Amino acid sequence: KNQVEQSPQSLIILEGKNCTLQCNYTVSPFSNLRWYKQDTGRGPVSLTIMTFSENTKSNGRYTATLDADTKQSSLHITASQLSDSASYICVVSSSGGYNKLIFGAGTRLAVHP
Amino acid sequence: NAGVTQTPKFRVLKTGQSMTLLCAQDMNHEYMYWYRQDPGMGLRLIHYSVGEGTTAKGEVPDGYNVSRLKKQNFLLGLESAAPSQTSVYFCASARTEKNYGYTFGSGTRLTVV
Repeated sequence: KNQVEQSPQSLIILEGKNCTLQCNYTVSPFSNLRWYKQDTGRGPVSLTIMTFSENTKSNGRYTATLDADTKQSSLHITASQLSDSASYICVVSSSGGYNKLIFGAGTRLAVHP
Repeated sequence: NAGVTQTPKFRVLKTGQSMTLLCAQDMNHEYMYWYRQDPGMGLRLIHYSVGEGTTAKGEVPDGYNVSRLKKQNFLLGLESAAPSQTSVYFCASARTEKNYGYTFGSGTRLTVV
């Protein structure tokens, strides 16, 4: 069964600190892996997209890594800001059929001053 | 450039009532999708469209119908609302089959009482 699992479910950090969010997936066939940021009451917004051959991709203070062998990804946030408070969703795209997206349940991050 | 616009943003329905959610995109995207987001779960695909005049079932299509009469609009209908359809509904559009440039609307929060 295609699944995307994220950990932790929620996380609280202090402003300025770094954090790493985890994503494990069992999706086949694999096409790409995405990280989205979802602010409260808003739709998800894409942060990074990585294909099978990419190990790391950055978007400002966000850096995503992908290990296709172990089927794991992480999202590292550097020097967190209050505006980073949001849910972060890992999404794996399967190349079977209509390019189905399998969504993780997300990690809810709260950055406190 | 508005991107993906969903209306309404909030709605309360009584069990058995019907309603239509509207999704409009101004990016000339071919692919459009309707998802629902429930607490503790990843987004789940309800229906999707690969072009004007086409629709197809996703992962959780029961109780919903869709139409794509115009390329820019994708309508989601609930013929007889049930409390189990209480959720946040997101529309998304994409430029290509591989879903790069996937853009979400800001969501519709629906409560069925």
